[in-house]
Amino acid sequence: KQEVTQIPAALSVPEGENLVLNCSFTDSAIYNLQWFRQDPGKGLTSLLLIQSSQREQTSGRLNASLDKSSGRSTLYIAASQPGDSATYLCAVSLQGDSWGKLQFGAGTQVVVTP
Amino acid sequence: NAGVMQNPRHLVRRRGQEARLRCSPMKGHSHVYWYRQLPEEGLKFMVYLQKENIIDESGMPKERFSAEFPKEGPSILRIQQVVRGDSAAYFCASSPGTSGVWEQYFGPGTRLTVT
Repeated sequence: KQEVTQIPAALSVPEGENLVLNCSFTDSAIYNLQWFRQDPGKGLTSLLLIQSSQREQTSGRLNASLDKSSGRSTLYIAASQPGDSATYLCAVSLQGDSWGKLQFGAGTQVVVTP
Repeated sequence: NAGVMQNPRHLVRRRGQEARLRCSPMKGHSHVYWYRQLPEEGLKFMVYLQKENIIDESGMPKERFSAEFPKEGPSILRIQQVVRGDSAAYFCASSPGTSGVWEQYFGPGTRLTVT
């Protein structure tokens, strides 16, 4: 049974610091891994998708790495801003499941203080 | 290109009533997914549909819940005889479904409150 864990559960940093968010999964047979942000009372915004054959993806200040063999992904956010305050979720789609079934971690709640 | 649309955004039902949640996928997307976020819990997969087909309903409760995605119109998640434990945020997502492109885009959610 696939389990997705995100550590830490909560994180507070001063503006300008780099953020490092971790996601681990127990079954390495994944199709892809997707990072999202969720603002309070809102839906999810897709940040990055890494396919199982890739090792990293970048978009602006965001960089996500994937180490499938060790079951880990890391999301880096450079030079954090107060607007980065949100909950960050990682989700995997598992080989053997239907393509569309994402399994989510519980999230890391991030606060960036001015 | 409008994003995934869900309505209503908020829905209040009394115990025993029916709840109907609607989801219109992004233009050009033929795959729809429903997830539920219970208070203080993570997002859980419920069902995956393509037009007129249920592909995976492994996350759907066995009773009272049903989903459809007709040839025309939005996808509907239907909850019959709601109970307090059904109170949650229900999110719909869509994807193009074309080979190699499986990124899911989420709607704003419907927050169901059962009184």
